[in-house]
Amino acid sequence: AQKVTQAQTEISVVEKEDVTLDCVYETRDTTYYLFWYKQPPSGELVFLIRRNSFDEQNEISGRYSWNFQKSTSSFNFTITASQVVDSAVYFCAWGDSSYKLIFGSGTRLLVRP
Amino acid sequence: SAVISQKPSRDICQRGTSLTIQCQVDSQVTMMFWYRQQPGQSLTLIATANQGSEATYESGFVIDKFPISRPNLTFSTLTVSNMSPEDSSIYLCSVVGSGANVLTFGAGSRLTVL
Repeated sequence: AQKVTQAQTEISVVEKEDVTLDCVYETRDTTYYLFWYKQPPSGELVFLIRRNSFDEQNEISGRYSWNFQKSTSSFNFTITASQVVDSAVYFCAWGDSSYKLIFGSGTRLLVRP
Repeated sequence: SAVISQKPSRDICQRGTSLTIQCQVDSQVTMMFWYRQQPGQSLTLIATANQGSEATYESGFVIDKFPISRPNLTFSTLTVSNMSPEDSSIYLCSVVGSGANVLTFGAGSRLTVL
């Protein structure tokens, strides 16, 4: 069965620090997708990125970057120069072609001024 | 991406009652799902809402407790039946749009059962 582990329950950083959120997944499937979502205090789930299993290229979007490594079954998320507005719970998720997602337990990020 | 409207956004309910949550999408979507997020927890898939047929439930969820309807490609309802305090959660509708490759979530319906 598939599983997503986010070992970091909560991370606290000072503004402008870089922070990496870890995500490790387990699957026997060869075709799958990995996602990151942000859930700010308002509660809405905001899509950040989708990566398919055949694309191991790292991706950068502004201050956000993602490192996908199949060899270690990891899909880590780094925020560079963190800001207070980045404070939220971040979820990593695994999905297949059915789009039924399995979520990790989430990492609560607190960015202090 | 699709815009999802969920109603109610929040409600306080009495034990033993039932509540129906509505999910309206601004465009036709191929797939619709219902998730539950218990307080301080992650999201768990309840079921896939199938247009014109019975929903497909995940392990641990049954139709009698969470009846779902999806009469067309833009609308679905989830009913939480015979509620108990353990049903206090955020219930989220999510969709995959035609030609899209992401799962979009509604803002959620926060239910508190007393």
